[in-house]
This record gives sequence, C-alpha cells and structure tokens, in this order.
Amino acid sequence: ILNVEQSPQSLHVQEGDSTNFTCSFPSSNFYALHWYRWETAKSPEALFVMTLNGDEKKKGRISATLNTKEGYSYLYIKGSQPEDSATYLCAFYGSARQLTFGSGTQLTVLP
Amino acid sequence: EAQVTQNPRYLITVTGKKLTVTCSQNMNHEYMSWYRQDPGLGLRQIYYSMNVEVTDKGDVPEGYKVSRKEKRNFPLILESPSPNQTSLYFCASRSLAGGQADTQYFGPGTRLTVL
Repeated sequence: ILNVEQSPQSLHVQEGDSTNFTCSFPSSNFYALHWYRWETAKSPEALFVMTLNGDEKKKGRISATLNTKEGYSYLYIKGSQPEDSATYLCAFYGSARQLTFGSGTQLTVLP
Repeated sequence: EAQVTQNPRYLITVTGKKLTVTCSQNMNHEYMSWYRQDPGLGLRQIYYSMNVEVTDKGDVPEGYKVSRKEKRNFPLILESPSPNQTSLYFCASRSLAGGQADTQYFGPGTRLTVL
C-alpha cells in the first residue's frame, strides 16, 4: 500500500488569512498528483491534476505546486473565505494506474 | 449532465442481510471504482474495474463483491454485511484515455449502517 500523507490533519483560520497545507507521496513511479475539494455532505470534486515537476496550477484564490523529486505538493489558499471550508484531498497516481488518496486536510475558515 | 449516481443514498440494515448498492455513470468511462470513507482513514479503495468484465481488488476488498457486466454500471454487493462495514461509500469513474491527467468523478455517496 502506497503512503500518501497530508498535513496538517485539520486547520482553523480566520477569514482573510492565507494558508497552505502539504501532501507527501512516493517520489518513484510518479505519474500525476491530483487535488480534490470535498465539502461536507457532498462528493469530492477535482481541483487540479499535476504531472510535471515544478508544475504550478491556479484556480481563483487556490494554487498548488509540485515537487516530484522530493515527493511533495503544496496547496495554497489566499485570503481564505468561509466558503473555502472543506476537506482537501490529494491523490497519487502511479504506474499501477490507481489513485491512492491521502486522509485529507480539513480546513475551517472562521468568519 | 455528466454524473455518477448511486442508490440508495442512505441505508440501515441488519447483520447478514444481503444488499446491493448500485452505481451508474453516463460519461462512457472505462474505469470505475468503489471507496469507503471512515473517520481519520481517508478514502480507501475496495474494488475497481478497468473495463467491462475486468475487476480487481483494491486495498480493502474483504466482505465485498462487484460486477461489471455493462460499461455504465458497477454495483457493490455485500453478501453478509457486518457492523464493521458501517461506513460512507463512494463510487467513482474516470476515463483512461488521457492517462494520468484524467480527473475522477465521484458519486454522491451512500451512508450505510449495519446493525
């Protein structure tokens, strides 16, 4: 079983704060790293798919970076809003063509 | 609208009573998968299918069966449910055409309680 770790497990920030969290994954047999956003009572939705070392993706106030050599990805949220409250999941896609998910970072943005 | 549907959304049952959770996708995706989500453990894969009549075990397959007779459907079968199968279940699908770049689409989830 592949080891995909996310930290921190949970995070509380004030509205307007910027924040970031980490996904660590195996650096070998890397094909892609997926980020998903999972709101309570809904199903996970894709945010980014990152495939190349040094990749940076951006969607509005959310961005992500990728370092495949050292096996980590950062997700950044600039100026957090209450509607950003969700669990953020990363998933490693390797040579087995399977997605292995981390346990997620639960973000709560306080108004 | 492109979607993955699951039924039922909520189910309370008793130990040993066989049940099936249906999953259907309308995107002509080759790949389908079942996950369970438990607090602190994230999404764990139960079974997956790369195409019709091709299924394989994920990380936690014990106590579950699946079938893939048609491309759009991928039911999850619990022959003799036990309380440790109480969980939130997600079906998902994705295309294999784009390889690693294809995102995965999730169903709305099925909350199962086994008494």
